[in-house]
Formats: sequence, C-alpha cells, structure tokens
Amino acid sequence: AQSVAQPEDQVNVAEGNPLTVKCTYSVSGNPYLFWYVQYPNRGLQFLLKYITGDNLVKGSYGFEAEFNKSQTSFHLKKPSALVSDSALYFCAVRDPYYGGSQGNLIFGKGTKLSVKP
Amino acid sequence: DVKVTQSSRYLVKRTGEKVFLECVQDMDHENMFWYRQDPGLGLRLIYFSYDVKMKEKGDIPEGYSVSREKKERFSLILESASTNQTSMYLCASRPGQTNSPLHFGNGTRLTVT
Repeated sequence: AQSVAQPEDQVNVAEGNPLTVKCTYSVSGNPYLFWYVQYPNRGLQFLLKYITGDNLVKGSYGFEAEFNKSQTSFHLKKPSALVSDSALYFCAVRDPYYGGSQGNLIFGKGTKLSVKP
Repeated sequence: DVKVTQSSRYLVKRTGEKVFLECVQDMDHENMFWYRQDPGLGLRLIYFSYDVKMKEKGDIPEGYSVSREKKERFSLILESASTNQTSMYLCASRPGQTNSPLHFGNGTRLTVT
C-alpha cells in the first residue's frame, strides 16, 4: 500500500539557520513526490515536485528537496530560514503505476514549521 | 495563473441541514477533488471527478455526495449535516497529466452546530 510519513509534527528553527522538514514514503514503483505549503486560513500552495531525473529539485521561495531512493525519503530543505517561512508543510506521494482511486495523491499529516527571529 | 475559487470562506450550519459547498476553476482542468482537513489527520480525500458527470469515491465518502454538471464546477453536498462534519474543506483541480500538481482553493471552514 502507498503511504507517506512526516515524522515531526513541528520543527523549530532560528531565522538564518538551515531548515529540514522530513518526509518518507512507501510505494511499489517509482514515486511522484510533491511538497505543498499552507499559510494560516489558506489553501495549499505547490512548492516543488520530483517526477524523474536529477535527485535534487528546486522550487518556489528558495526551497529544495532531495529524492533519496535507497532511503525512500524526500526531505524539504532551505539553506537560510525566514520568519515568513513559518507555515504548515505537506509532503505527498503518488504511485503512477496505479490508475483510478489508487492513483490519487496521498498526503502526509503535515509538519508545522516555526521560524523565530 | 490557475484560480480555484470556493464560494464561502466560513459557513455555520445546523445539524440536519443540507449544505452545498461550491468550487469553480478557471483553467479547464479535467480533474477536480474535494478534501477535508482536520488537525493531526492531514488531508483526506472525499470525492473526485475525472470529467463532467463522472465521480468516484475517495477515502471518506460517507455522508457526502458531489455533483459535476459543468467542467469548471464541482459541488460537495452534505445531505444532512452532522457535528462530526465540522472541518476545513478544500477543493483542488489539476490537468489530466498525472504528474501535474494540484491547485487548491482557499478552503471553506464549516461549523455544524
């Protein structure tokens, strides 16, 4: 069965420090992986995706993520955190082998990122 | 830029009422989705639609129905609202290509009293 896990409910970082938000996944084939961000009282915004190719993908607002097939991980990173990065972050996975309802995105439970000045 | 518009940001309804949540997208996307978001549970898929008049159940369809009469509009219906349906409801759309990201509306926070 497909699944995605975000092992940390909350991550606290000081402004200017690097940040990492962790995500691990389980699919039977090669995954499609996504990161989304949600600011308070808003919908989710797409940050970046991995479909194929280079393991390091770059996205919006200076974020990047590294696909690691052996560790089945897709951690979100940023070299220098901003207070404005404080938000809820969701990792999502899709197994392109499946169609229909099994082919939909599976979301993690979310990680709250708090960046302090 | 893709826009997904949900008609209400906040709704308060009484138990037993019939509730309609409306969602419109302006990019001619084939696929549309309804999720509910609850703290600690993440996003759970209620229903989705691949095309006009087509619908499929997601992970938690009980107590909900949907309607897609036009390509741009996807409605979520609570036939008889209950307090356990108090939640944030998110609509999303994407093109037919399965590697495309979802585009979300800003959500409707529904409270059932």
